[in-house]
Amino acid sequence: QVQLVQSGAEVKKPGSSVKVSCKASGGSFSSAFSRYAFSWVRLAPGQGLEWMGGIIPIFGSANYAQKFQGRVIITADESTTTAYMELSSLRSEDTALYYCATSQGPIIPVSPVQYYYFYMDVWGKGTTVTVSS
Amino acid sequence: DIVLTQTPLSLSVTPGQPASISCKSSQSLLPTHGKTYLYWYLQKPGQPPQILIYEAYNRFSGVPERFSGSGSGADFTLEINRVEAEDIGFYYCMQSIQVPSFGPGTKVDL
Repeated sequence: QVQLVQSGAEVKKPGSSVKVSCKASGGSFSSAFSRYAFSWVRLAPGQGLEWMGGIIPIFGSANYAQKFQGRVIITADESTTTAYMELSSLRSEDTALYYCATSQGPIIPVSPVQYYYFYMDVWGKGTTVTVSS
Repeated sequence: DIVLTQTPLSLSVTPGQPASISCKSSQSLLPTHGKTYLYWYLQKPGQPPQILIYEAYNRFSGVPERFSGSGSGADFTLEINRVEAEDIGFYYCMQSIQVPSFGPGTKVDL
């Protein structure tokens, strides 16, 4: 059973940064972590779901939504089967519930277009990030 | 970037009655490698989103048969043939043929 366990709630000051972790277990993570597509999605109060970015370690680099480009860094550590999302220059509008998500099985990378693989059927419970002075 | 538009944004349903949500894309989500990268998610109160439909019309494992997805090109539809009380929540379509994006969501309540 694939499971994603996220780090705990954070309270941050405007202008600071936050780093949220997402530990993956079960499935084939121990042997095929590099072929899992990890997405970060947030849900701000009164707003809808927003895809922030994602990473598929076997492809190397992360992909980001234009809105967050330059402010978010998504990484993955195969040795600990953990994905990370760091958001900087925080403002009050970044107050939200941040989810990591992936798929139950590793991808089969038949295409170089990474977007095709950001399919999400396993979700973490979410991490609340509150930005307040 | 691809923009997804959902209608309606709010839907009041009666248990036992059908319901339908439309998702229109700003660009055609032409099938690539035989797949249409359009998904439907439901987020119930206090829970993470759950996938209902993948690749436009495939029901995910364990999803009740009352849920179905259809459409092609830039027009897609999620239908619930007989709504149940447990179906309330926010429904989102999502595309991943380009930088992934979600529709604005449709709030479904009784």
